[in-house]
Amino acid sequence: EPEVTQTPSHQVTQMGQEVILRCVPISNHLYFYWYRQILGQKVEFLVSFYNNEISEKSEIFDDQFSVERPDGSNFTLKIRSTKLEDSAMYFCASAEQRGVADTQYFGPGTRLTVL
Amino acid sequence: GNSVTQMEGPVTLSEEAFLTINCTYTATGYPSLFWYVQYPGEGLQLLLKATKADDKGSNKGFEATYRKETTSFHLEKGSVQVSDSAVYFCALSLYNTDKLIFGTGTRLQVFP
Repeated sequence: EPEVTQTPSHQVTQMGQEVILRCVPISNHLYFYWYRQILGQKVEFLVSFYNNEISEKSEIFDDQFSVERPDGSNFTLKIRSTKLEDSAMYFCASAEQRGVADTQYFGPGTRLTVL
Repeated sequence: GNSVTQMEGPVTLSEEAFLTINCTYTATGYPSLFWYVQYPGEGLQLLLKATKADDKGSNKGFEATYRKETTSFHLEKGSVQVSDSAVYFCALSLYNTDKLIFGTGTRLQVFP
């Protein structure tokens, strides 16, 4: 069965450094998402992406964050200058359709630790 | 605002015990409601859903009923197995958006 993959599974970085989290969505999917979960807190929506542009973003998704689909297969989340509070599990998701939330397929997550 | 509240975990049960994981929500309008499950090392998987009041979602022996009057969507299973050990997330989505709003997740541990 096709699945969403994410790399790395765990990323450790120093505060102020840039990180790029990578996701490979399911191949025929057109809609892409990032969510995150700070330890002990809720899973939060960050951003949705379609047709090479952001469709929707949350208040969390400020100028420090950016997303890109650089090569038609990867979908990346970049954090320009990491803060301690960016430490979280980051989940990528992809979907074939939009507006039908249950079609989102999630990856296993990348745990980001900012020291 | 729109939000989901789940009972804190971990929930620890013996095999064949009855499971309830509580979930309540706050939403404008009429949301769709979901339960997702995350097994160790894997992504979130849709377990079941309900799109309108009084709908019952079911899958793999799990059930949840959309209760508008109590704004709840509690997850139940009559007899849990060790293989059900996972983290369970309650979530909602609103009309005309594909954004999911999740709860904090509840870890279930089932022992033989």
